[in-house]
Amino acid sequence: GNSVTQMEGPVTLSEEAFLTINCTYTATGYPSLFWYVQYPGEGLQLLLKATKADDKGSNKGFEATYRKETTSFHLEKGSVQVSDSAVYFCALRGYGGSQGNLIFGKGTKLSVKP
Amino acid sequence: DTEVTQTPKHLVMGMTNKKSLKCEQHMGHRAMYWYKQKAKKPPELMFVYSYEKLSINESVPSRFSPECPNSSLLNLHLHALQPEDSALYLCASSQGLGLYEQYFGPGTRLTVT
Repeated sequence: GNSVTQMEGPVTLSEEAFLTINCTYTATGYPSLFWYVQYPGEGLQLLLKATKADDKGSNKGFEATYRKETTSFHLEKGSVQVSDSAVYFCALRGYGGSQGNLIFGKGTKLSVKP
Repeated sequence: DTEVTQTPKHLVMGMTNKKSLKCEQHMGHRAMYWYKQKAKKPPELMFVYSYEKLSINESVPSRFSPECPNSSLLNLHLHALQPEDSALYLCASSQGLGLYEQYFGPGTRLTVT
């Protein structure tokens, strides 16, 4: 079945550091891939998406590239800010038994220190 | 506008109470979802509605009863809940059941006493 594996945190960085959160997936065919962010006490916000191989999703300085050959969708940001502190979820929607349900990774908590 | 609204923001209820959670979207989306999220975990799917009809029920106990009165509204009726049902309840919507992105509301923080 479809699944998502992302690096477990917590990840602690200093302000202006480079961020990478790894995400790999298992799925039939070509799923759509997403990163969601959840700030403390809030719901999930769609951060970025990619719908086909080699697509690059980007938003608010974050980027992720859909790599079919490595089944990966790693999240990157060149210079993190304190306001980026949150939990980040990698997710996919694919074909097969999940009927296109959203499959989440376990989440990675990011803390950015000033 | 990609907004999904949920009310109330917080809810405390006893195990014998009946309450309802409400969700609304005005994006013209035809699929709506209820999720349950426990602390430090990803959301777990509970129900899926497509074109106002229940499409998926992920073996959720009958003390949770969903309702979709129209294409913009989704309710979750709660009755005789248990303390372990305390969680953040999230509503989401998407254009359809395909590979579309889902947009989430801010959630209702439910505490069962």
